[in-house]
Amino acid sequence: QVQLLERGAGLLKPSETLSLICGVYGGSFSAYYWSWIRQSPGKGLEWIGTIIHGGTTNYNPSLMSRLIMSVDTTNNQFSLNLTSVTASDTAVYYCARGPLRFFDIWGQGALVSVSS
Amino acid sequence: DIQMTQSPSSLSASVGDRVTITCRASQSISRFLNWYQQIPGKAPKVLIYATSNLESGVPPRFSGSGSGTDFALTISSLQPEDFATYYCQQTYSIPWTFGQGTKVEI
Repeated sequence: QVQLLERGAGLLKPSETLSLICGVYGGSFSAYYWSWIRQSPGKGLEWIGTIIHGGTTNYNPSLMSRLIMSVDTTNNQFSLNLTSVTASDTAVYYCARGPLRFFDIWGQGALVSVSS
Repeated sequence: DIQMTQSPSSLSASVGDRVTITCRASQSISRFLNWYQQIPGKAPKVLIYATSNLESGVPPRFSGSGSGTDFALTISSLQPEDFATYYCQQTYSIPWTFGQGTKVEI
């Protein structure tokens, strides 16, 4: 059974860079799309971006200028880097498989708080 | 961006009730509409994909309908475990977008 596990720093100061890694365990990595989605009380669920195993990315235009996603096929993981964070980037960050048609497997979520 | 608007934002219902949640897209999305259920403290879980296809393992009391801009999720007989928040989501065009959620209280 495929499992996704997010890891990374949970507390940041404004202007720092948010870095998260999602490990994919128990299934094929190269055959799928992989995404980051965040959830905050103010904005609900927001798609951040999607990457495929070759490194091709699609980013949410609202975050594109601050966002870099990358993939590590050797270790079956993909990462999110979001620069110049502010309090509005405080959210639970989920990694997820898809969407080919939908996001079918999700990680448990990682809470990231931005505060001075 | 395609805006997804759900209604109602919350509802109270009793076990056994038939419940319908609607989702309207700001432009036509054909049938590229998915429904997710989120229990507090957990990640969302897909219930219905491509408007009306039931994901494996999801009880048949859940069903979806619609096309174009108007969609609905129906729970035919509400069960206690259905207390959750439900989200619609379009995969017609990037950026993929979600509705704001409908909280179902038993």
